[in-house]
Amino acid sequence: AQSVTQLGSHVSVSEGALVLLRCNYSSSVPPYLFWYVQYPNQGLQLLLKYTSAATLVKGINGFEAEFKKSETSFHLTKPSAHMSDAAEYFCAVSANTGGFKTIFGAGTRLFVKA
Amino acid sequence: DSGVTQTPKHLITATGQRVTLRCSPRSGDLSVYWYQQSLDQGLQFLIQYYNGEERAKGNILERFSAQQFPDLHSELNLSSLELGDSALYFCASSAEFSGELFFGEGSRLTVL
Repeated sequence: AQSVTQLGSHVSVSEGALVLLRCNYSSSVPPYLFWYVQYPNQGLQLLLKYTSAATLVKGINGFEAEFKKSETSFHLTKPSAHMSDAAEYFCAVSANTGGFKTIFGAGTRLFVKA
Repeated sequence: DSGVTQTPKHLITATGQRVTLRCSPRSGDLSVYWYQQSLDQGLQFLIQYYNGEERAKGNILERFSAQQFPDLHSELNLSSLELGDSALYFCASSAEFSGELFFGEGSRLTVL
């Protein structure tokens, strides 16, 4: 079975500061890992995904994440936060265990201060 | 625009009632997923269909059921509604078995 833990339900950064959102996963088989973003009153949209190719994955809007198998982590980073990055971010894991079932973390709400 | 369409966007109903939420996946996507999002439970996987067949099941209550039709649209039926069923229900679709999901904008259900 898979599971995802996102550390910190709320993260606050200043505009221009580094964004670091933490995600740890558990999977009994090689996982696919994702970060999604949800803006208010919208559905989730994909930021980036890891599917067993390069361990450093670049996504949209300047975000990237690094897959670290030894640490079972997939943290999301962005060098310089922008006001428009304020949203909720979800880490997700999926694996083929007789049917793909994508499991989401509890989410981390990112606040960006001017 | 993800290409996934959900109707209705908002729905208000009373306890004990039954509602149906509808989802049209992206053109060509065979998999449809349903999720429930609430403040206390977060984003919970309910059920997945692939080309009309149930493929995976999550924390879906017995009062809830879903199906995927030959034209690939899906419906989620919620019956004997309780106050705690108030939530945002998302449908998502995917083209491949990798878990990359494309979400609709959700159906907000309020049970009074």
